[in-house]
Amino acid sequence: DAGITQSPRYKITETGRQVTLMCHQTWSHSYMFWYRQDLGHGLRLIYYSAAADITDKGEVPDGYVVSRSKTENFPLTLESATRSQTSVYFCASSEGRGGQPQHFGDGTRLSIL
Amino acid sequence: TQLLEQSPQFLSIQEGENLTVYCNSSSVFSSLQWYRQEPGEGPVLLVTVVTGGEVKKLKRLTFQFGDARKDSSLHITAAQPGDTGLYLCAGEGGGTSYGKLTFGQGTILTVHP
Repeated sequence: DAGITQSPRYKITETGRQVTLMCHQTWSHSYMFWYRQDLGHGLRLIYYSAAADITDKGEVPDGYVVSRSKTENFPLTLESATRSQTSVYFCASSEGRGGQPQHFGDGTRLSIL
Repeated sequence: TQLLEQSPQFLSIQEGENLTVYCNSSSVFSSLQWYRQEPGEGPVLLVTVVTGGEVKKLKRLTFQFGDARKDSSLHITAAQPGDTGLYLCAGEGGGTSYGKLTFGQGTILTVHP
C-alpha cells in the first residue's frame, strides 16, 4: 500500500548507544522531514530533505544525523543517544512547497535509559 | 526563528458547546495548516489556508487566516466526543523557510458526552 512507514514503532536503548530510525515513503515525494514531539513543544523539526542527497538542519539538529541516498528513504541516526533524546519521532513527506500538506508516519516512540 | 503561539493548551468541554483555538505569531506565513492527531498516530491535515482573511469551513469546523497572515483560528460548533484529539497549527514560512513548517504547541481537546 502507498504511504509512509516508520520502523521500529517502539525502541528502548541505553545512553551512549547508536540507534537508527527508519522512514520509507512510496509516493516519490521530493520533501521529507524528521520531527520530535514532546509535551508542551508540539512538533519540532530536526532535519529535512528537499531531494535525494540534499539535507538541511531544522530547529533541533544537535545529536542527530540524516542521509538520503534514495528518494524513498530518509533514516535518522542518533550517534550517541542521551536521555534528553527520549521522545516520539515522526517522519513526514510532502510534494513540495506552497501549502502542500505533509503526510506523517505513525511515529517511533524512543526511550533512552 | 519563526514562532507560533497556540492557545489554549488544554480544553475540556461538554458535548454541544462551541470552542475556539488560536494561533498567533509575529511572523508572516505564506500558508497556515491545521492538523489533527489521534493517540498513537501521526498528524493528519484538516485544512490549508493561504490568503489573508481567508475562511474555510469543514462541516462544523471553521478556519480563519488573519488579514496579515500572522494568525489563525479554528472554531468548532456544537462539539462532539468524536472531535476529541490534539489539534496543531503549522505555518509555512517564506524565503529559505519555504516548504518547512513551524508548529504550534498544540491544543488537547476533550469533549465529554
